[in-house]
Amino acid sequence: DAGVIQSPRHEVTEMGQEVTLRCKPISGHDYLFWYRQTMMRGLELLIYFNNNVPIDDSGMPEDRFSAKMPNASFSTLKIQPSEPRDSAVYFCASSRGGTAVGEQYFGPGTRLTVT
Amino acid sequence: QKEVEQDPGPLSVPEGAIVSLNCTYSNSAFQYFMWYRQYSRKGPELLMYTYSSGNKEDGRFTAQVDKSSKYISLFIRDSQPSDSATYLCAMSDSGGSNYKLTFGKGTLLTVNP
Repeated sequence: DAGVIQSPRHEVTEMGQEVTLRCKPISGHDYLFWYRQTMMRGLELLIYFNNNVPIDDSGMPEDRFSAKMPNASFSTLKIQPSEPRDSAVYFCASSRGGTAVGEQYFGPGTRLTVT
Repeated sequence: QKEVEQDPGPLSVPEGAIVSLNCTYSNSAFQYFMWYRQYSRKGPELLMYTYSSGNKEDGRFTAQVDKSSKYISLFIRDSQPSDSATYLCAMSDSGGSNYKLTFGKGTLLTVNP
């Protein structure tokens, strides 16, 4: 199993630019999660999907952030326009759900720097 | 008060020491308790997973949950340099329709050879 795949691994962009982060979950996992990690705030859940449907987006910081999951094997997190305070490591994770509610498998992350 | 509190450390111990990592929480609805390990510049990986109160042992690792005190612990016996990482506690209140995990900020552990 290839695990959760994220791209790009690193992204450096200028303030105001659009940023798109991509994620391929583990095959057979029906839950997908987007997290953001910073030193100040730790690991925060932004949004999660079940069977490609967004279930809870209460962690999305503001309207500049949007996430989609067009099919079971692909999801995107978009920031438009980006701001320096969006600099963080963004993780995608997937899970089978059910009794495995806590067994989330994380990708390697995308390190975003907005200048 | 934050939902989950975790001492960020850093914690530095000699090889072979017993390590104790802890988290406290405020939400009495939490029923699932996890410990994740995160190596530098990597994603977190699940280390231990327990439901409700009690102990769970896996090799050198023991997880304890005390729901009455809202306190969870992870013990590492015979610590190794390869255990050097950040340890994050995580909790969830239901396996029903809510799959949100609430994480502590993590404790940075260094095991010195």
